[in-house]
Amino acid sequence: QVQLMESGGGVVQPGGSLRLSCAASGFTFSSNGMHWVRQAPGKGLEWVAGIWFDGSKSYYVDSVKGRFTISRDNSKNTLYLQMSSLRAEDTAVYHCARGLGVLSDGYWDSWGQGTLVSVSS
Amino acid sequence: QSVLTQPPSVSAAPGQKVTISCSGSSSNIGNSYVSWYQHLPGTAPKLLIYENNKRPSGIPDRFSGSKSGTSATLGITGLQTGDEADYYCATWDSSLSAWVFGGGTKLTVL
Repeated sequence: QVQLMESGGGVVQPGGSLRLSCAASGFTFSSNGMHWVRQAPGKGLEWVAGIWFDGSKSYYVDSVKGRFTISRDNSKNTLYLQMSSLRAEDTAVYHCARGLGVLSDGYWDSWGQGTLVSVSS
Repeated sequence: QSVLTQPPSVSAAPGQKVTISCSGSSSNIGNSYVSWYQHLPGTAPKLLIYENNKRPSGIPDRFSGSKSGTSATLGITGLQTGDEADYYCATWDSSLSAWVFGGGTKLTVL
């Protein structure tokens, strides 16, 4: 079965950096787009970034453009999110999710439990 | 302020039916498929409906989805206490070049 396991969360000071990882198993990782979705405390789900199956294209929510970079290593079945210039409002549980479909017909069929990122001084 | 508008909360008695609306615009729901997710904070969200009205295997037919114009609706019949959760709609927004979620709806089964 599909399994997604996030890691790398923790406490970081404002302006700092952190790299999240998502280890995938149970499916052909290199065939699927992958995404990061977050939930801030007391808030709803927010899509953060997505990357095509081969890494050739990536998309970001406006609030993280220029600060976050999504990438993947298909040889290691692993998705990454490099986060820099972190702000208090980036505090959230970050989930990775497998994408099916492309753009307007896309959706997420499998999700990880999430990893907590806390930005605080 | 979410791009997609959902009611903050809905409630109904066990066994009853509830609907959750999701309102958008021509740049998102009007031109893209809608999906729906069930989420309990601290757990992995779960896909309930994709491509407006399709259910993944394992999702009971008590859950249904529909779309008309720039709005979508999730329906849940035969409510159970285990259905208490937050529900989110999502779609692609071509103006933003981004996927967007509704603000979420908390379902209470009284």
